[in-house]
Amino acid sequence: SQQGEEDPQALSIQEGENATMNCSYKTSINNLQWYRQNSGRGLVHLILIRSNEREKHSGRLRVTLDTSKKSSSLLITASRAADTASYFCATDFEGAQKLVFGQGTRLTINP
Amino acid sequence: ETGVTQTPRHLVMGMTNKKSLKCEQHLGHNAMYWYKQSAKKPLELMFVYNFKEQTENNSVPSRFSPECPNSSHLFLHLHTLQPEDSALYLCASSQVTSGAQYFGPGTRLTVL
Repeated sequence: SQQGEEDPQALSIQEGENATMNCSYKTSINNLQWYRQNSGRGLVHLILIRSNEREKHSGRLRVTLDTSKKSSSLLITASRAADTASYFCATDFEGAQKLVFGQGTRLTINP
Repeated sequence: ETGVTQTPRHLVMGMTNKKSLKCEQHLGHNAMYWYKQSAKKPLELMFVYNFKEQTENNSVPSRFSPECPNSSHLFLHLHTLQPEDSALYLCASSQVTSGAQYFGPGTRLTVL
């Protein structure tokens, strides 16, 4: 399968702590994207990182990309209860003209 | 909220019914998508339309029939569905097929 695989499948932390989620993939990509989904709702785009980029920031979010290891990580700093959601990585594989989504990480922030 | 709307939000139908899901994007995007999301399964891409032309049909059964009359509207026509087709159906759009996708809120479909 070409899809990205997130790790861990579920993560539960205390409010204020940092949360790190990882994504691994198998073939060369043009870009990798991270999305958030609140229960039963549509996905929300968070960050897009291109294959020639190594790190991007957006507010409390930090995404890294290591193309040699075919992996990416999403770090959420100073977590809040509102960050409770599922987080998905999606990869744009070379020549694919579509995104392939992983199974997601279910993040729970405990107050 | 995201510029992509879907109707209806909830749909219950019998296996012999015919219904349609509607998606509209107000973002001026060129590509539109249908996804199926079932419990405990990855998001499944069903169809991709790029500049109103279907560019992807991900081995979807013929009981699902997409229609894209223009770059702002996308329909999914449903007929003789099975209970295993019950899922959240998500529509999305993007400027280009490799770019960030903007999702609608989804239609929760239940097939009895």
